[in-house]
Amino acid sequence: GQQVMQIPQYQHVQEGEDFTTYCNSSTTLSNIQWYKQRPGGHPVFLIQLVKSGEVKKQKRLTFQFGEAKKNSSLHITATQTTDVGTYFCAGSGAGKSTFGDGTTLTVKP
Amino acid sequence: DTAVSQTPKYLVTQMGNDKSIKCEQNLGHDTMYWYKQDSKKFLKIMFSYNNKELIINETVPNRFSPKSPDKAHLNLHINSLELGDSAVYFCASSQGLWFDEQFFGPGTRLTVL
Repeated sequence: GQQVMQIPQYQHVQEGEDFTTYCNSSTTLSNIQWYKQRPGGHPVFLIQLVKSGEVKKQKRLTFQFGEAKKNSSLHITATQTTDVGTYFCAGSGAGKSTFGDGTTLTVKP
Repeated sequence: DTAVSQTPKYLVTQMGNDKSIKCEQNLGHDTMYWYKQDSKKFLKIMFSYNNKELIINETVPNRFSPKSPDKAHLNLHINSLELGDSAVYFCASSQGLWFDEQFFGPGTRLTVL
């Protein structure tokens, strides 16, 4: 069945450092979504990528979808304390959607 | 107006009890979901309903029974609660199936003693 692996599970950075989380699927995806969950909160949709090789930016966040549509990444430039939380990817394909295990980001001021 | 609401927010109960969690969405979406998030923050799909019909039923014990009286509501009833059921349960909705943005409720933190 479809599996979506996400690494790393935890990332601790100093404020101002960059951060990247990676998602890898065992199967080709139709699309991939990214969500952010603040501590004590619920997942909130960030973006959806559909096309092979797609790159989208939201201010300091850059999202990429691999050419083979089997992997994706989220990169945050110059992290801020407001970036703390758990970032999830969710890959859709073959009639289902699977969430990665998430990457929890902590930012030291 | 809250888009996806859940009640209760917290639920503390004894092993063996039966409890229900309610979910309502006012977004006019066709699809609703239940997720379980454990202490490691892993988010696992439990059920998915589309227009009141069960679409996805992952490997979930029979003690969990979802009910969708209409497409705006998806409730979760749990029988004979066990310690391992302690988790945060999230309801979510989306316009279509899987390919659309999912809107999550605030979650229900269930603690089984």
